[in-house]
Amino acid sequence: GENVEQHPSTLSVQEGDSAVIKCTYSDSASNYFPWYKQELGKGPQLIIDIRSNVGEKKDQRIAVTLNKTAKHFSLHITETQPEDSAVYFCAASSAPSGDYKLSFGAGTTVTVRA
Amino acid sequence: NAGVTQTPKFQVLKTGQSMTLQCAQDMNHEYMSWYRQDPGMGLRLIHYSVGAGITDQGEVPNGYNVSRSTTEDFPLRLLSAAPSQTSVYFCASSYSRTVDTEAFFGQGTRLTVV
Repeated sequence: GENVEQHPSTLSVQEGDSAVIKCTYSDSASNYFPWYKQELGKGPQLIIDIRSNVGEKKDQRIAVTLNKTAKHFSLHITETQPEDSAVYFCAASSAPSGDYKLSFGAGTTVTVRA
Repeated sequence: NAGVTQTPKFQVLKTGQSMTLQCAQDMNHEYMSWYRQDPGMGLRLIHYSVGAGITDQGEVPNGYNVSRSTTEDFPLRLLSAAPSQTSVYFCASSYSRTVDTEAFFGQGTRLTVV
């Protein structure tokens, strides 16, 4: 099945700096790549997603890039703020046996220092 | 909007006990799934359903059963709890069975097996 690797596992940045999280995936047939943010004690929440026919997508301070040839995608957060502190998960959607499934990375704990 | 509702929020079980984790969604979503979240391992798929009456196994199905008698409900049953099942469990739902639309997560159930 799909294998998603995520780096780094922890990331500490100064408020106002940028944060970058990188993921790689194994199944070249994967075509949907969402990013989820999980705040303490809550369930994950979608913050941005990208499909395989697009190389980059932006939403205010958040951007995602996708390189299908290299099978990797990245999350970029600019001008970080304390409320960006959370655990971030990347995921990839594939259908190894007919039904689509989301496979998640192990997560990145982001801490924004004031 | 209630979204995805999970009950209970916390549970302590003794080894060998059985219990059911409840999950309900009010968005008329086709696709529902159960994940477990363990430190350093991200979210791993336990079971999923692409519609009422249809269920299938995910990555880590052993020790768990599911059923989908209605579109709204997708309970997860632990048959005989083991300490290895200590985890945080999340239920999620998506509009599309191709999983290329947003997955909405519940608040989670923190389960401890002693």
